[in-house]
Amino acid sequence: QVQLQESGPGLVKPSETLSLTCTISGGSISNYFWSWIRQPPGKGLEWIGYVSYAGITNYNPSLTSRVTISVDTSKNQFSLSLSSVTAADTAVYYCARVWFGDLFAPNFDDWGRGTLVTVSS
Amino acid sequence: QSALTQPASVSGSPGQSITISCTGTTSNVGSYDFVSWYQHHPGEAPKLMIYEGYKRPSGVSNRFSGSKSGNTASLTISGLQADDEADYYCCSYADSNNYVAFGGGTKLTVL
Repeated sequence: QVQLQESGPGLVKPSETLSLTCTISGGSISNYFWSWIRQPPGKGLEWIGYVSYAGITNYNPSLTSRVTISVDTSKNQFSLSLSSVTAADTAVYYCARVWFGDLFAPNFDDWGRGTLVTVSS
Repeated sequence: QSALTQPASVSGSPGQSITISCTGTTSNVGSYDFVSWYQHHPGEAPKLMIYEGYKRPSGVSNRFSGSKSGNTASLTISGLQADDEADYYCCSYADSNNYVAFGGGTKLTVL
């Protein structure tokens, strides 16, 4: 079981770019897909997108114009960039490993504990 | 508003069974066997409990089971234990557009 740890600023100003990094330990970033998921205060989970170890991405259509997920295999890390943030982007952000089951659908089998990012001036 | 609808809360006594529903549409739950369920104790990392509708990952208790009927998936927990008290989220994947949707979550209280 790998361990995932989110890191990045806990406070971001409106209109700026939110940047987070997920560091993977106890395993390699290779041969897997990796995802970001968020949870606004008092609300449910929202899938942001995922990236393969080779850099192939798939994003939530509601966020695709503002989001970039990238991978750095040399550091065993992957990152999230979300531009033009507003208060609606305030959430706990989780990174997770994507595991494809028998039917090749994505599941999230290892998660970080999450990091709270607040958008406020 | 979530693409998948779950009850906000359910409750049960230790030893009882409870079922959490997850209602989608023919575009997601109804057309694919891709529903997964996650247990989330606040402050901790969420945990995958069920995938592809009814399959359990290694290490997950057989007290947890999944099923589907039409556009509604269900998670049943039998022999309720205090540690089962948590938030539960369903999740569905639609390969027509590679879209992943979560439900709004259900808070399970063990009385």
